[in-house]
Amino acid sequence: AQTVTQSQPEMSVQEAETVTLSCTYDTSESDYYLFWYKQPPSRQMILVIRQEAYKQQNATENRFSVNFQKAAKSFSLKISDSQLGDAAMYFCAYRSGYSGGSNYKLTFGKGTLLTVNP
Amino acid sequence: DTAVSQTPKYLVTQMGNDKSIKCEQNLGHDTMYWYKQDSKKFLKIMFSYNNKELIINETVPNRFSPKSPDKAHLNLHINSLELGDSAVYFCASSRRRQSEQYFGPGTRLTVT
Repeated sequence: AQTVTQSQPEMSVQEAETVTLSCTYDTSESDYYLFWYKQPPSRQMILVIRQEAYKQQNATENRFSVNFQKAAKSFSLKISDSQLGDAAMYFCAYRSGYSGGSNYKLTFGKGTLLTVNP
Repeated sequence: DTAVSQTPKYLVTQMGNDKSIKCEQNLGHDTMYWYKQDSKKFLKIMFSYNNKELIINETVPNRFSPKSPDKAHLNLHINSLELGDSAVYFCASSRRRQSEQYFGPGTRLTVT
């Protein structure tokens, strides 16, 4: 079974600074997807960024980028120019790339609570 | 405009009652999911349906019964509610062959 580990329960960053959230995962599969989801106090789960395991290029979405190290099974999220609205719980998630039943589920890490200080 | 909607958003009920949560998506997706987020914010899959067929059924008490009348709707019925059922329940949807899942706003269930 796949596992996702987020070793930082809490992080803080100053507004306009850069912060990196860590995520490691364990899998024996070669085809999979990795995600970062954001959950602000409103409770809504918002997809931040997606990475396909077969792509060597790191995904980027505006101020959000990832550092995907497949051999190390590491998938960190970098937030540049942090804004007050970035304050939220961030979840790293894994999904198998194979077809069939439980392969479609997301397996989540325990989350990292990010505080942005003005 | 709402992509994935859930009703109700809040549900407070007493132990032993039966309750339902409804989910609807207008994204044209063919796969829907129920996740449970516990008091420590941990998210775990409960069920998934693809075109009205149950494809994921994790270790969940059989007091929980999902139903999908069509591929745009997925409901969750819970019998004989217990204190430990208190949590936030999220509905999500995706296209089966795509990886991203889009979540509803969640239903906070409180059992007293």
